[in-house]
Amino acid sequence: DGGITQSPKYLFRKEGQNVTLSCEQNLNHDAMYWYRQDPGQGLRLIYYSQIVNDFQKGDIAEGYSVSREKKESFPLTVTSAQKNPTAFYLCASSISGGLGTEAFFGQGTRLTVV
Amino acid sequence: GIQVEQSPPDLILQEGANSTLRCNFSDSVNNLQWFHQNPWGQLINLFYIPSGTKQNGRLSATTVATERYSLLYISSSQTTDSGVYFCAVEPEAGNNRKLIWGLGTSLAVNP
Repeated sequence: DGGITQSPKYLFRKEGQNVTLSCEQNLNHDAMYWYRQDPGQGLRLIYYSQIVNDFQKGDIAEGYSVSREKKESFPLTVTSAQKNPTAFYLCASSISGGLGTEAFFGQGTRLTVV
Repeated sequence: GIQVEQSPPDLILQEGANSTLRCNFSDSVNNLQWFHQNPWGQLINLFYIPSGTKQNGRLSATTVATERYSLLYISSSQTTDSGVYFCAVEPEAGNNRKLIWGLGTSLAVNP
């Protein structure tokens, strides 16, 4: 099946630890995105990548890091510098970073700091 | 930057009722999408509709780009329609390809 796979579905982190969220797609999409969603809120863009080996900060990049070494993969690391990391994280992809391309989403990872 | 406003913020329906959700945006867009977020958090694409009208089963959407709004129609609602409906747009201005999101309409369909 073609799609976007995020793992794990649920993740618990101790304060001060870094954690990495996985996002893989087999849609042959060039562009990939990470969003954060807090309860009762819309989505906010963390990072996006329009092509392999290149990525740009979104609106709330502080405390996060990404890499794009392969077209299929766009992992997000939540570092200890992120003050309030508990949230729902969504990964998306689109066929290109060009004008007017449709975005598709994974099932999300719910991160809780304990 | 562009503003995206959705209304109503909350909606409660009895099963079988019809409803209209609205998305207003403050500037020209290249792209507009409607999504349904189910109770488990999954975002499901409903429509990619920068202009015109599309229908998919009980759902249809219309975007009037010149007047900067889009409408999502749900007919004969079912309990499985419950969740949050988001509108997201890609602004025409600027060099980025980011989607700008509304805050959503939270829909509850009661049996």
